[in-house]
Amino acid sequence: NAGVTQTPKFRVLKTGQSMTLLCAQDMNHEYMYWYRQDPGMGLRLIHYSVGEGTTAKGEVPDGYNVSRLKKQNFLLGLESAAPSQTSVYFCASLKRGGYNEQFFGPGTRLTVL
Amino acid sequence: KQEVTQIPAALSVPEGENLVLNCSFTDSAIYNLQWFRQDPGKGLTSLLLIQSSQREQTSGRLNASLDKSSGRSTLYIAASQPGDSATYLCAVSLYSGGGADGLTFGKGTHLIIQP
Repeated sequence: NAGVTQTPKFRVLKTGQSMTLLCAQDMNHEYMYWYRQDPGMGLRLIHYSVGEGTTAKGEVPDGYNVSRLKKQNFLLGLESAAPSQTSVYFCASLKRGGYNEQFFGPGTRLTVL
Repeated sequence: KQEVTQIPAALSVPEGENLVLNCSFTDSAIYNLQWFRQDPGKGLTSLLLIQSSQREQTSGRLNASLDKSSGRSTLYIAASQPGDSATYLCAVSLYSGGGADGLTFGKGTHLIIQP
């Protein structure tokens, strides 16, 4: 099993450009999450999904949209990128009903100029 | 709002020492607590998970304890090695969300083990 994978690994955008980050998991997990990690701020939850077709806001959702059309994929979109969105983005997944342990992907490093 | 604090922010010790990393949280109604390791430029590796009903978990040289009523957890590393050098993150999930509404993270302890 590949676990949680993220595409791309690195990306540089100009202010105002749009992009989509892809998260995929092959563990048949119901829940998926997007976090961002910034120096001095720790990881913060952006959005999450409790199942196919459902999403919910986390602590810092502004400027991002998400979609969960398939159980194994969770997309994070930036419609008009801003320098404040320069960060490392991590995706995670969880299988409900067990220990509720979250498993993380390797991250996407995004720079917005 | 749940807040998680980790002390110290940075720690440097000689190889072979036993050490303790501290984590505190403001809302004791947690579902579970996870300790992660993060190497520079890398993702998060889960080290230990403690359910709210448990007092401690052990894995090899690592032991994590939980005192939910006082809002504290410690990560004990025995016989430290240079390969233990990394940032250690503590994170909690709330009971109200069944442990699935997302994790709240501390800012981490940056650990350096001197050879």
